[in-house]
Amino acid sequence: GAGVSQSPRYKVAKRGQDVALRCDPISGHVSLFWYQQALGQGPEFLTYFQNEAQLDKSGLPSDRFFAERPEGSVSTLKIQRTQQEDSAVYLCASSLRLAGGVGEQFFGPGTRLTVL
Amino acid sequence: DAKTTQPPSMDCAEGRAANLPCNHSTISGNEYVYWYRQIHSQGPQYIIHGLKNNETNEMASLIITEDRKSSTLILPHATLRDTAVYYCIVRGAPSNTGNQFYFGTGTSLTVIP
Repeated sequence: GAGVSQSPRYKVAKRGQDVALRCDPISGHVSLFWYQQALGQGPEFLTYFQNEAQLDKSGLPSDRFFAERPEGSVSTLKIQRTQQEDSAVYLCASSLRLAGGVGEQFFGPGTRLTVL
Repeated sequence: DAKTTQPPSMDCAEGRAANLPCNHSTISGNEYVYWYRQIHSQGPQYIIHGLKNNETNEMASLIITEDRKSSTLILPHATLRDTAVYYCIVRGAPSNTGNQFYFGTGTSLTVIP
């Protein structure tokens, strides 16, 4: 499987817990994006990495959300002190081109987070 | 990036062409039109993109009007597996910021046997 993988696929957290969501992009892909998708809505941008540099984090909803990609490959999205409104599917996408390029982004299957 | 408008839902008979419209009346000259689809419980899947000219690949055709204010995605022979939410996205030239996709709520296409 050469696609984008995400783990875990499902995560249930109690309100106030911290969670960490992992994304393994396609090998060699420079650009990596995180999106949040609420039920019945389209994905919404959270943050963008070019290699290890986080160039755009304008979509992160609060300072409880933190993302990293320390070696320019695997990325982790961390949510501290989870709230019920954080319940959503978190999607990761990668692209071979800088800044996503003109062309497709390859999406993973997502992690469904449920905060009780 | 320009906002897009799509009908919330459409039906199509299996084997017939599915024509999904999208309005993007505020599109600017360097913005591309992308189409993605999302099958239930999966991540979005790229279909096609274009700038000015009509485009065709193994999945679909993209027809862009001459004024570029609207486009149509055509699935030539819809199958049950084409049932999905289809997103029309307008995106400018890539840059270090603002290069994300704005998905909107898309069109939910149901292919009927």
